Amino acid sequence: DAGITQSPRHKVTETGTPVTLRCHQTENHRYMYWYRQDPGHGLRLIHYSYGVKDTDKGEVSDGYSVSRSKTEDFLLTLESATSSQTSVYFCAIGGSPLHFGNGTRLTVT
Amino acid sequence: RKEVEQDPGPFNVPEGATVAFNCTYSNSASQSFFWYRQDCRKEPKLLMSVYSSGNEDGRFTAQLNRASQYISLLIRDSKLSDSATYLCVVNGHTNAGKSTFGDGTTLTVKP
Repeated sequence: DAGITQSPRHKVTETGTPVTLRCHQTENHRYMYWYRQDPGHGLRLIHYSYGVKDTDKGEVSDGYSVSRSKTEDFLLTLESATSSQTSVYFCAIGGSPLHFGNGTRLTVT
Repeated sequence: RKEVEQDPGPFNVPEGATVAFNCTYSNSASQSFFWYRQDCRKEPKLLMSVYSSGNEDGRFTAQLNRASQYISLLIRDSKLSDSATYLCVVNGHTNAGKSTFGDGTTLTVKP
């Protein structure tokens, strides 16, 4: 399995608080991605990175920001969490195909 | 219309059955294609790539029809352990870029 670690695995937070999710890879891959998965919507791309300090928006980027200061780490920040951001968040690396981390379950109350 | 469409199912089949899943995609420039398996509350895992010539991995066969923009996955001799959600994935680039996922087809194999 690809060396991808997500943290935390589970988080419960309150509306309006900032939240940061971390993705760490040991594969030295250039491309990293953040997806969210919700019933009825499948996997949707939030942001992706194609190198250190190089990031771009996906289809559902509103309310999220990312940073990549090192090849191995890709951070996803919910600037002010809302209940609509309750979801399962997956980090992925690679190009074609992708390999996924084991996910973060985030609940915003 | 979604870029990648799958029949959501659920497909409920007995052990030993043969089951086929279909997937259509709208972007004719798509270059690479995959099937992923996702178990409940787990991450998606690559099952197999899909090539124009068709490819087989044990009980699993994948086919790609570029003219019809259609991908299929055939599972023969279904096992209880095949119960999962199967995701069709299409990528516009051969090496990198953004993958587009279907919503998945749920399979339950029953004894």
